[in-house]
Amino acid sequence: QVQLVESGGGVGQPGTSLRLSCEVSGFSLRSYGMHWVRQAPHKGLEWVAVIWYDGSKRYYADAVNGRFSISRDNSKNMVYLQMNSLRVEDTAIYYCARDAYWEAAAGNPDFWGQGTLVSVSS
Amino acid sequence: QSALTQPASVSGSPGQSITVSCSGIISDVANDDLVSWYQKYPGKAPKLIIFEVHKRPSGVSNRFSGSKSGNTASLTISGLQPEDEGEYYCSSYAGGPVVFGGGTTLTVL
Repeated sequence: QVQLVESGGGVGQPGTSLRLSCEVSGFSLRSYGMHWVRQAPHKGLEWVAVIWYDGSKRYYADAVNGRFSISRDNSKNMVYLQMNSLRVEDTAIYYCARDAYWEAAAGNPDFWGQGTLVSVSS
Repeated sequence: QSALTQPASVSGSPGQSITVSCSGIISDVANDDLVSWYQKYPGKAPKLIIFEVHKRPSGVSNRFSGSKSGNTASLTISGLQPEDEGEYYCSSYAGGPVVFGGGTTLTVL
């Protein structure tokens, strides 16, 4: 079955960097776009980034554009989110999610991981 | 990338039906059938319950249904059950980025 497991969360100070990882199984990663979505404490879901199935395009939310970078390593079944210049407002649970469409331009997510907590505080 | 607009909360009694609306700018929803709905419980991952406006993934109860009119999508839950209590989010593919609604808390009275 489809599984996504995030890791790499933790506590960081403003201005520092963290790299989140998402290990997938149960499907061929090279055939699907992948998303990162976050949920800040007592807030709703906020889309963060997507990388297309072939890696040809990446899109970011305005709030993270220029600071975060999404990447993938299909040979390792891994997706990453490099987060630089962290801010207090980046504090959230970060979810990795698979795009719903096989070998197509990214759409909406279908399967989600359980999330990893990132806390940014001075 | 403005968030789609959902009511903050809705409520209903067991057995009743409720509808959650999701409105957005025209280019996000009205011209695109890539609207999804998710159910989320505290501390749990979101679960896809509706995709492409009205389609249900395998295993999702037929008490959940979706529709769209103009720039507003809607999720209807019929025959409310206590386990339906939770948060519901809409999302729309915006030609690259994805936009989520602010979320709606459903209370089953």
